Amino acid sequence: GENVEQHPSTLSVQEGDSAVIKCTYSDSASNYFPWYKQELGKRPQLIIDIRSNVGEKKDQRIAVTLNKTAKHFSLHITETQPEDSAVYFCAASLGTGYALNFGKGTSLLVTP
Amino acid sequence: DSGVTQTPKHLITATGQRVTLRCSPRSGDLSVYWYQQSLDQGLQFLIQYYNGEERAKGNILERFSAQQFPDLHSELNLSSLELGDSALYFCASSPLEREAFFGQGTRLTVV
Repeated sequence: GENVEQHPSTLSVQEGDSAVIKCTYSDSASNYFPWYKQELGKRPQLIIDIRSNVGEKKDQRIAVTLNKTAKHFSLHITETQPEDSAVYFCAASLGTGYALNFGKGTSLLVTP
Repeated sequence: DSGVTQTPKHLITATGQRVTLRCSPRSGDLSVYWYQQSLDQGLQFLIQYYNGEERAKGNILERFSAQQFPDLHSELNLSSLELGDSALYFCASSPLEREAFFGQGTRLTVV
């Protein structure tokens, strides 16, 4: 199947610093790229998404960028807080639908 | 609470057995997706149904099957279970052409 590569697998930052997670995808038909946050033992929760006709989207401290030519997209979290600690997953749509291929996840730890 | 309900929350069964996982989507959502989450494979898409019809298929084993009923709830059937099938199984739902919301998952343990 089509792959989504996600880096890094773990990320540790100090409170107030920025965190960046990067993903690449292989399916040229993908046009929807969401990011999910998953806390231990809980369901993945959508935090931000971007569609292929948009290069960048921002929601408060979270921003996502998409480079469709290079097939990569990134999540940026600014002014990190301890409650941002969780596993973050990027995903790319299977073709033009909403079924998703997920990256392996990034475990983010924000230390006070 | 996402509005997607999955039952049971936990399930322990023996190898070789068959189980059924149930998902009730959010009110009005016609699409249901099933995902498997395990430590080694991560989050994997299994299958999608839209209004009772199969719409997309991912890495679903032949031992697994799903269906969506006229009331839009969905069931995932797992048969001839193996130890490696132990995982968290998530259902997600969405209106067509919109983002999906995940249920709380069913944790399956095969012993």
